[in-house]
Amino acid sequence: QVQLRESGPGLVKPSETLSLTCTVSGGSISSFFWSWIRQPPGKGLEWIGYIYYNGNTNYNPSLQSRVTISVDKSKNQFSLKLNSVTAADMAVYYCARRGAPVDVWGQGTTVTVSS
Amino acid sequence: EIVLTQSPATLSVSPGERATLSCRASQSVSSNLAWYQQKPGQAPRLLFYGASTRATGIPARFSGSGSGTEFTLTISSLQSEDFAVYYCQQNNIWPWTFGQGTKVEIK
Repeated sequence: QVQLRESGPGLVKPSETLSLTCTVSGGSISSFFWSWIRQPPGKGLEWIGYIYYNGNTNYNPSLQSRVTISVDKSKNQFSLKLNSVTAADMAVYYCARRGAPVDVWGQGTTVTVSS
Repeated sequence: EIVLTQSPATLSVSPGERATLSCRASQSVSSNLAWYQQKPGQAPRLLFYGASTRATGIPARFSGSGSGTEFTLTISSLQSEDFAVYYCQQNNIWPWTFGQGTKVEIK
């Protein structure tokens, strides 16, 4: 059974770069596509983007200028970088398998933006 | 982007009663709509995809219907474990979007 686990700093300073990694276990990353989704405190869900195992990406236009999603097949991982963060980027960040629909979710990791 | 509007925002229901949740899309999403359940502190769980196809392990008391712009999630007889927030999500046009959620609470 495929499991996903997010990792990365829980605290990021304003204007810096948020970096998270999702490790895929129990299955290969070399199939399907893989998503990042976030949920601000007490609010709904927002798609950040997704990546195919071959490296093709699609980003939410609202975040496109600040987002990079990459994949490392050798480590069975995919990663998220979000530049120039502000308080509006504080959220629980989820990695997920697929998107149409999402059938496997990570447990989520909380990212706080503060100096 | 496609806006999904869920109603009501909060639904107060007694255990054993029926709950009907609505999701309306700002433009047609065909049948490319999913429903998720989220409990506090947990990731969402997939309930339905393709508007009405039940995901693995989802009890039969849950049903999904609709197409185009109007969708419904029905829970025929609420159990204690069903009290949660429910989200609809469209995957017809990028960026995929979620509704703002309906909280089903105990009456």
